[in-house]
Amino acid sequence: EIVLTQSPATLSLSPGDRATLSCRASQRVNSDSLAWYQQKFGQTPTLLIRSATTRAAAIPDRFSGSGYGTDFTLTISRLEPEDFAVYYCHQYGNLPWTFGPGTRVEIK
Amino acid sequence: VQLQESGPGLVKPSQTLSLTCTVSGDSVNSGAYYWTWIRQPPGKGLEWLGYVFLTGSTSYSPSLKRRIVMSLDISANQFSLTLSSVTAADTAVYYCARAANGGSFDFWGQGALVTVSS
Repeated sequence: EIVLTQSPATLSLSPGDRATLSCRASQRVNSDSLAWYQQKFGQTPTLLIRSATTRAAAIPDRFSGSGYGTDFTLTISRLEPEDFAVYYCHQYGNLPWTFGPGTRVEIK
Repeated sequence: VQLQESGPGLVKPSQTLSLTCTVSGDSVNSGAYYWTWIRQPPGKGLEWLGYVFLTGSTSYSPSLKRRIVMSLDISANQFSLTLSSVTAADTAVYYCARAANGGSFDFWGQGALVTVSS
């Protein structure tokens, strides 16, 4: 089973800041099959990025994904007030599919 | 595309949890998707439980494999989850989701809170 480690656990930033979230896999993720989700408090997760770098439909271009193999990054270029939430990475290149523990982006 | 979970919100310990996901705007008969269950204990992260595919093939989380069954009901455009011998550790919000493009979850249900308690 691939274990995903996300860092940092919490990121304290201000609106307008750049956010860089890391997701590291315990072994190579086949076909870079790595997705990122945003979950706001009390809401259902929303797909942001699939295949490590492809933005999902209707996702603003301030969200971008990068990386390959075992190291992946989600970048939010300029934080908007609605971006403060928890972000999860998820790998689906290897069974069983797994999620990372999440990174909370909070207002500083 | 919309997904909606339904089922009891309270289950007694040692009994079986059963949930159904009704899909609208798409067909579970499509061979393009994996129909998936995910859960989230209160205040914790997401856990993938497994999926069922059109052919009836399934894949389950190893930690739940002995207790879990997923199936499709094509005529009702639904898929379902049963989890046996539940304990308090199974208390969670249970989400159904559609996995597309190899496995990313593009549509989710709103989630159903299931509490295991006597």
